[in-house]
Amino acid sequence: EPEVTQTPSHQVTQMGQEVILRCVPISNHLYFYWYRQILGQKVEFLVSFYNNEISEKSEIFDDQFSVERPDGSNFTLKIRSTKLEDSAMYFCASRSRGTEAFFGQGTRLTVV
Amino acid sequence: AQSVTQPDIHITVSEGASLELRCNYSYGATPYLFWYVQSPGQGLQLLLKYFSGDTLVQGIKGFEAEFKRSQSSFNLRKPSVHWSDAAEYFCAVGAGIGGANNLFFGTGTRLTVIP
Repeated sequence: EPEVTQTPSHQVTQMGQEVILRCVPISNHLYFYWYRQILGQKVEFLVSFYNNEISEKSEIFDDQFSVERPDGSNFTLKIRSTKLEDSAMYFCASRSRGTEAFFGQGTRLTVV
Repeated sequence: AQSVTQPDIHITVSEGASLELRCNYSYGATPYLFWYVQSPGQGLQLLLKYFSGDTLVQGIKGFEAEFKRSQSSFNLRKPSVHWSDAAEYFCAVGAGIGGANNLFFGTGTRLTVIP
């Protein structure tokens, strides 16, 4: 069964460093998403991406965040200068037209 | 604005007992509703969804949910819980066409199953 894959599963980074979280969506999907879940809190929408551009973003997704689909398979989330409060589980999701989103296993980001 | 409320933070049930997890939503249009499950260290797995039609929807692992528009609810049920059902359960409402342009999640309900 096709699935969304995320790498790495756990990333530790120092405050102020740049980090890139990687996702490989399901191959025929057209819509891509990033969500995050701070420990003990609910899952929050960050950004959606369609047709090589951001279609919607939340207030969490400020100038420190960016997304890219550098080739036909990867979808990345970059945090330019990480803060302690960026520590969270980050989920990538993808979907095709008219279907539900499929989520990856997540990347746990720890900023120290 | 969309929002989802899961009033129960933690529920403990005995194996074999029935289960109902509550979910209330707020959404201005016809809602697209989802239940996801998250096992420890795992991602989010879709249990079931409601887009339209029959208000009682069946999902995987023996779960079902009923959409009640008058109560703005989408409660998840299972007649007999298994130990492997212990996990975190999230209700979500979807915005946009098809209901999955982006999802608004509740805070989750942690289910503990005791022998």
